[in-house]
Amino acid sequence: GESVGLHLPTLSVQEGDNSIINCAYSNSASDYFIWYKQESGKGPQFIIDIRSNMDKRQGQRVTVLLNKTVKHLSLQIAATQPGDSAVYFCAEHGYSGGGADGLTFGKGTHLIIQP
Amino acid sequence: NAGVTQTPKFQVLKTGQSMTLQCAQDMNHEYMSWYRQDPGMGLRLIHYSVGAGITDQGEVPNGYNVSRSTTEDFPLRLLSAAPSQTSVYFCASSYSGRVADNSPLHFGNGTRLTVT
Repeated sequence: GESVGLHLPTLSVQEGDNSIINCAYSNSASDYFIWYKQESGKGPQFIIDIRSNMDKRQGQRVTVLLNKTVKHLSLQIAATQPGDSAVYFCAEHGYSGGGADGLTFGKGTHLIIQP
Repeated sequence: NAGVTQTPKFQVLKTGQSMTLQCAQDMNHEYMSWYRQDPGMGLRLIHYSVGAGITDQGEVPNGYNVSRSTTEDFPLRLLSAAPSQTSVYFCASSYSGRVADNSPLHFGNGTRLTVT
């Protein structure tokens, strides 16, 4: 299968600023995307998801944008807080069918919050 | 709800030893899976199950066995540990066996395994 990649391995932002984490995908048939947050020593935590028939979806302080034309996904975090420090990675559902679900995970971007 | 619970949190094995990583979920999820996470690599699927009594192989199944006798439990067995199996192992579950049903995975906090 095709893999999901991230543009930057580390992103450093000031507390209170907005953060934008990017993700590129190469499988034009992907129909579902998920963002996860992973804090040190913990398992990945679901943040937000979006289907391919949508361009934007908002949650609490987070927004996911999907640009299918350039196969690009982004996670925006508003008013970044110290608790947002973590590794963020996207997952892509690349094909239909049960079982393994066709999920491909990116390697992650480490978000660092500067005081 | 405790969610997905994994035990132990840490384990050190010698080459050739066997052990079982435990995973339990209390969300009545049908789908459960095991992943390994290694530095510089994304999560890789080892085995998965779409319901009790049903299991199947993922991307990297060699050296691991699973069983699903109940909806709640999905243990992962290392048959003969090798240094290449040093990793962090995550168990995950979801309501539906299909992520396409808007059913994202919920992960446990992992088991950190070192094989010497």
